Amino acid sequence: DAGITQSPRHKVTETGTPVTLRCHQTENHRYMYWYRQDPGHGLRLIHYSYGVKDTDKGEVSDGYSVSRSKTEDFLLTLESATSSQTSVYFCAISDSAGNQQVQFFGPGTRLTVL
Amino acid sequence: QQQVKQSPQSLIVQKGGISIINCAYENTAFDYFPWYQQFPGKGPALLIAIRPDVSEKKEGRFTISFNKSAKQFSLHIMDSQPGDSATYFCAASFLSGGYNKLIFGAGTRLAVHP
Repeated sequence: DAGITQSPRHKVTETGTPVTLRCHQTENHRYMYWYRQDPGHGLRLIHYSYGVKDTDKGEVSDGYSVSRSKTEDFLLTLESATSSQTSVYFCAISDSAGNQQVQFFGPGTRLTVL
Repeated sequence: QQQVKQSPQSLIVQKGGISIINCAYENTAFDYFPWYQQFPGKGPALLIAIRPDVSEKKEGRFTISFNKSAKQFSLHIMDSQPGDSATYFCAASFLSGGYNKLIFGAGTRLAVHP
């Protein structure tokens, strides 16, 4: 998994509660991404980061926020979880020193919002 | 348009047969076309990738065929094995505003029967 860990791996929560997912990398990569995976949609980009405190929106960013205070950690927050955010969330990294277009994915977090 | 259309949704192949998955895109800005393989409970893993200046790329039993004029590309798995049973995603990428924009197809679930 290219030195990427995600926590928690599974979470069940209730509608309206805040949730934070963590992505941790050990190889000092500049670019980090959060995707969600849903049947019939492949993976869709939520937010990405191109450095500490530098983040931007992806195609499905509504209801999500991110933070990156350290190179190694990229946090995804659902301020008030909804059932439509039930999904599998993947973090990815790409290497600015090599082929930036190659993305490596973490093991995922399965989130269920009841 | 930045969609990547993938077919079929599911595929059943006998052991030793050829598995073929097709993808099509519209945006000519895409300049990198990776295929990812995903096993249940795991993150997507890069399998093979191609750039549009090449019509074919082969790595072991896996081959990408690329038709730039038709904006289509396909994955061929020769001598398919039960261990190849997984979900396969095509994707298309280009660098935009300093980050790697990666668009995924919806995925193909491959089952290889012994």
